[in-house]
Amino acid sequence: SSELTQDPAVSVALGQTVRITCQGDRLRSNYANWYQQKPGQAPLLVIYDKNNRPSGIPDRFSGSGSGITASLTITGAQAEDEADYYCNSRDSSGHPVVFGGGTKLTVL
Amino acid sequence: EVQLVQSGGEVKKPGESLKISCKGSGYRFSSYWIGWVRLTPGKGLEWMGIFYPGDSDTRFSPSFQGQVSISADMSISTAYLQWTSLKTSDTAIYYCAREGGGGHFDYWGQGTLIIVSS
Repeated sequence: SSELTQDPAVSVALGQTVRITCQGDRLRSNYANWYQQKPGQAPLLVIYDKNNRPSGIPDRFSGSGSGITASLTITGAQAEDEADYYCNSRDSSGHPVVFGGGTKLTVL
Repeated sequence: EVQLVQSGGEVKKPGESLKISCKGSGYRFSSYWIGWVRLTPGKGLEWMGIFYPGDSDTRFSPSFQGQVSISADMSISTAYLQWTSLKTSDTAIYYCAREGGGGHFDYWGQGTLIIVSS
């Protein structure tokens, strides 16, 4: 079982806001990263270190977290945001090697 | 531009060996950890191992320790993931990814589909 727990599936109406959550004890002391994966494509980093967006990621993606919970929020979800989202955090040696089970986001 | 380009998909039989590759370009290959990640429909993304080309330091997930090996050829900026005896349960897509500074995977290869079937 994954040390980071995610809801298997979430849906959102087009243009609305959705929050995808990730829970795990290691999030008390380690930031979360978030990856988007569409069918047939490699994962894409969308948020790192809790709330930083890599270059090219739309600002409708944001991250937050407190305690054992990290969240990825998409404000004004678009059809192209339909994908699997994985949270990720560091192990004791600092490598980003712990993944959540993934959340399938459906945009209605 | 940073790129990781992986070798093509393979169809193998149980018990066969396999080595897949991941060629880095656009950055100093020796200075960044490379991770290998498996994607399966039932389990999602799973970290397998991580390798530092600069000194060959290698760490494995307990789930994959002893099942695979990781190496690199610095002269051609290429990392490898290797099996000596494949199982049908190794059927999956395998990704390499660069660990950017700060503990996240910032660049990913395109993935290599491995099918193991008799």
